[in-house]
Amino acid sequence: DAGITQSPRHKVTETGTPVTLRCHQTENHRYMYWYRQDPGHGLRLIHYSYGVKDTDKGEVSDGYSVSRSKTEDFLLTLESATSSQTSVYFCAISKQGYEQYFGPGTRLTVT
Amino acid sequence: RKEVEQDPGPFNVPEGATVAFNCTYSNSASQSFFWYRQDCRKEPKLLMSVYSSGNEDGRFTAQLNRASQYISLLIRDSKLSDSATYLCVVNKGTNFGNEKLTFGTGTRLTIIP
Repeated sequence: DAGITQSPRHKVTETGTPVTLRCHQTENHRYMYWYRQDPGHGLRLIHYSYGVKDTDKGEVSDGYSVSRSKTEDFLLTLESATSSQTSVYFCAISKQGYEQYFGPGTRLTVT
Repeated sequence: RKEVEQDPGPFNVPEGATVAFNCTYSNSASQSFFWYRQDCRKEPKLLMSVYSSGNEDGRFTAQLNRASQYISLLIRDSKLSDSATYLCVVNKGTNFGNEKLTFGTGTRLTIIP
């Protein structure tokens, strides 16, 4: 299995609070991605990174920001959590930008 | 039309049978295709990559038909452990080296003893 961890694995938070999710990899892969998965939708890309300090938006980036200050860490921040951001969040990594490998996920509930 | 469409199932198949899933995609520029499996409440795991007309790995065969824009996954001699949701994944046709992927919503498979 790819060396990817996510923290926290579960979180319950209140509307309006900021939340940061962490993705950590031990593979030294260049590319990292944040997805959300909701019933009735395929995984949807939030943000991705193609190197340290190099990030770009995905298809559902509103309300989210990311940072990547080290190769191994990719942080996702919900600036002011809303109930529509209740979801399962997956981080993925890729060595050359082709095949992607996923972390175990974070279940976030916004009440 | 959705970018990637899959029959959601569920497919309930007896152990030992052969089962096939189809997936259609709308972007004719797509170059990379993948099948992932996802167990309940777990992360997607890469099952197969399909870059040319097809790929085979043991009991699993993936085929690509670019003219009709569909890919299929065939599972032979199905096992109880094959029970999962199978995700069809297609790249958006961007440059290689930074794949942006479109995920289908998945086909649920249950293997019955």
